[in-house]
Amino acid sequence: AQSVTQLDSQVPVFEEAPVELRCNYSSSVSVYLFWYVQYPNQGLQLLLKYLSGSTLVKGINGFEAEFNKSQTSFHLRKPSVHISDTAEYFCAVRVYGGATNKLIFGTGTLLAVQP
Amino acid sequence: NAGVTQTPKFQVLKTGQSMTLQCAQDMNHEYMSWYRQDPGMGLRLIHYSVGAGITDQGEVPNGYNVSRSTTEDFPLRLLSAAPSQTSVYFCASRPRTSGGNNEQFFGPGTRLTVL
Repeated sequence: AQSVTQLDSQVPVFEEAPVELRCNYSSSVSVYLFWYVQYPNQGLQLLLKYLSGSTLVKGINGFEAEFNKSQTSFHLRKPSVHISDTAEYFCAVRVYGGATNKLIFGTGTLLAVQP
Repeated sequence: NAGVTQTPKFQVLKTGQSMTLQCAQDMNHEYMSWYRQDPGMGLRLIHYSVGAGITDQGEVPNGYNVSRSTTEDFPLRLLSAAPSQTSVYFCASRPRTSGGNNEQFFGPGTRLTVL
């Protein structure tokens, strides 16, 4: 069965520090990988996605993620966070193949940036 | 484009009441979905539709009905609300392409409380 694991439910970090939000997935079929961000009391918006090609993907707001097929990971990173990055971040995997085509979300990681 | 819109933003129901959560999109997307978001559980798919007149169950369909009479609208019905349905509900849409490598657009959410 396919699944997405975000091990950290909450990540506190000081402003201007680097951050990494971890995401691992399990799937026996082809996948596309996504990171979504949800600001307080808002819907989800796409941060970045990996479809194919270069394993390092750059997204909005200075975030980037690296696809590691051997470790089945897609960790999100930012070298220097701002207060405005405080939000919940969801990793998602679209699995497809044969009759399967579904988007599976992780449980989310709350990034709490402190001054 | 307004994107994906949802009404109402907030709703309080008593156990046993019925209601319909509205969702509309103006991007001519074929695919539409309903998710519920609960703390520590990420987003779980309730129902989805691949086009007008076609709907199917997701991961947690019990207690919910949907219909898709037009491309634009995808209402979610609670026939007899239960406290377990207290959640934040998100509607999403995306265009139909092979492989599923496209972005899913989310509405702002409906926060439902069932007493």
